[in-house]
This record gives sequence, structure tokens and C-alpha cells, in this order.
Amino acid sequence: DGGITQSPKYLFRKEGQNVTLSCEQNLNHDAMYWYRQDPGQGLRLIYYSQIVNDFQKGDIAEGYSVSREKKESFPLTVTSAQKNPTAFYLCASSIGILEHNEQFFGPGTRLTVL
Amino acid sequence: AQSVTQPDIHITVSEGASLELRCNYSYGATPYLFWYVQSPGQGLQLLLKYFSGDTLVQGIKGFEAEFKRSQSSFNLRKPSVHWSDAAEYFCAGRSYNTDKLIFGTGTRLQVFP
Repeated sequence: DGGITQSPKYLFRKEGQNVTLSCEQNLNHDAMYWYRQDPGQGLRLIYYSQIVNDFQKGDIAEGYSVSREKKESFPLTVTSAQKNPTAFYLCASSIGILEHNEQFFGPGTRLTVL
Repeated sequence: AQSVTQPDIHITVSEGASLELRCNYSYGATPYLFWYVQSPGQGLQLLLKYFSGDTLVQGIKGFEAEFKRSQSSFNLRKPSVHWSDAAEYFCAGRSYNTDKLIFGTGTRLQVFP
């Protein structure tokens, strides 16, 4: 079965700690994305990657970092510099970056800062 | 600035009633438009998409949407709602000259039996 997996589903973090969210896809997609979802605000783009070893900042990249060492993996690190990290995080992928390519989404990770 | 607006935060309908969820866009050229659905605590699933051509687009689960350039709208419709349609619905768009998909703030649909 092809798809996107995110782990863990729920994540708790103490203030001041970095935490890494996993995203893996077996769809052979070139492009991958990370979004943050807060109630009433829709989805906001954190980072995206068009190809291995390349990524660009989205609209709210401050306090986050990513890597793209493998085509199928695009982990997101939420650093202690992120002022309000409690949110639902969604990973997505698409065949390419072109405008008509639909994005496929993973099931999400809910991060709570204690 | 490019934007996607969903004017209705929350809509409640009775099971079997018809449904229309509104979406308005602001783009210089014809955008590529999408409707996604999200069940609580889950990821997003694509319902349908519009790129060009026929302005009435059919999607999964009995949904359809109509692109109206004159009204800058891409409203989602379903003739008869089922209780399982209760979810949050997101309209999204992007133009030919950007990398990014812009999402509306979503409409939460509640279905009463």
C-alpha cells in the first residue's frame, strides 16, 4: 500500500526541548511539505522540498528545521526557538512542485508542549 | 495578494439535505483549485480539483464543485448529505507562478439525523 506515514501520532514535549517529527512516503514523490494546523487558521506551510538535498522556507519557518537526505523521508525538527509549538503537524507529498500536482497528506502528529 | 477565503466557519445541515460550501479566491490568473476533506484528528483527503476546461468538476463521495470566474468562486456541492460527511472541508488554490498551495481557513460541517 502506497502512502505517507507520520510518527508518532501524539508527542509531548517539555519547554526548551527540541523534538523531531517523522514523515516517510513510499509514493516515489519528489516534493514533500510540512504544514502546521491551528484551530480556525487552516494550514500554514512551514518548509517544503522539491528534491533530495534541497528545501525552502515556507511562510512560518522560524523555530523549525528540516532535512531531506533521502527521497522518501522529510523529518521536521521543532526547536526550542519555536515560541508556540503546540499544534497539529501535517506532512504531504506530491509528484512534483508543478501547480497541477495534487498533494497527498499523512495522518498528522499532534504535538503538545507541557 | 493571492488568497482563498471560506466565509462560513461552521455549517449545520440535516441528513438528506443538499449542501453548498463556499470558496472564493483572489488570483490574477485562473488558479488551480482543490477541495480537501479532513475527519477529526486525521490528514486531508482530496475530494476534487479544477485546472481548466469544464467548469463543473465531479469528485469522490458524490461531491461536485463549480468554477465561476465572474464570481471568483469554487463552491462545493452535494445533493444529499450523509451523516458520514460530517468533517472539516478546506478549499485550496495555487497559481501557475508560485510554488505554494494556499488554504482557506476551513468550514466545519455538522450533520443532524
